[in-house]
Amino acid sequence: KAGVTQTPRYLIKTRGQQVTLSCSPISGHRSVSWYQQTPGQGLQFLFEYFSETQRNKGNFPGRFSGRQFSNSRSEMNVSTLELGDSALYLCASAFGGGDDRAFFGQGTRLTVV
Amino acid sequence: QKEVEQNSGPLSVPEGAIASLNCTYSDRGSQSFFWYRQYSGKSPELIMFIYSNGDKEDGRFTAQLNKASQYVSLLIRDSQPSDSATYLCAVTLNRDDKIIFGKGTRLHILP
Repeated sequence: KAGVTQTPRYLIKTRGQQVTLSCSPISGHRSVSWYQQTPGQGLQFLFEYFSETQRNKGNFPGRFSGRQFSNSRSEMNVSTLELGDSALYLCASAFGGGDDRAFFGQGTRLTVV
Repeated sequence: QKEVEQNSGPLSVPEGAIASLNCTYSDRGSQSFFWYRQYSGKSPELIMFIYSNGDKEDGRFTAQLNKASQYVSLLIRDSQPSDSATYLCAVTLNRDDKIIFGKGTRLHILP
């Protein structure tokens, strides 16, 4: 069974640009969560999607948005990038429906210059 | 009060000894508890999950949950150098089912 796939693995962007990250969950999983990981703040919850609906949202500005498609694949978008957005962005998928064990992808390392 | 708290470490343990990692959480209604292991430069890997009070064992790992005291712990028996990593405690909040992580404890197994 294939794991969670995130693309791209690495990105370098300039301040003010926007970026879209992609996550393909484990087959059969309907829940996708996104996290930002930085050395100082650890893993911080961005949002969670289940069956194309955003179920939960963390305390991030509106520049961070996401969506989920009918095949459960998810995208995360960050607009007007700031230097502080440099981080490892991790996607985790779970089956949902009572099984909340989450499995992570390899992450996308975003560097904003 | 932070939702999930862990001692950042580093926790140094001799090879072959028992490593004990602790975590406390603030949401009394939390139902699901997880331990992830993260090697440097890698993504977190789920190693244990526990839903009921008491102990759950899987190989060299034992997760312990005490809901009354709102803490969860991870014991690693016969510690190996390959166990050196950051261990993340995660909890599903009762109010909205999202999984919140602690900042992790760095574990260093001394050969």
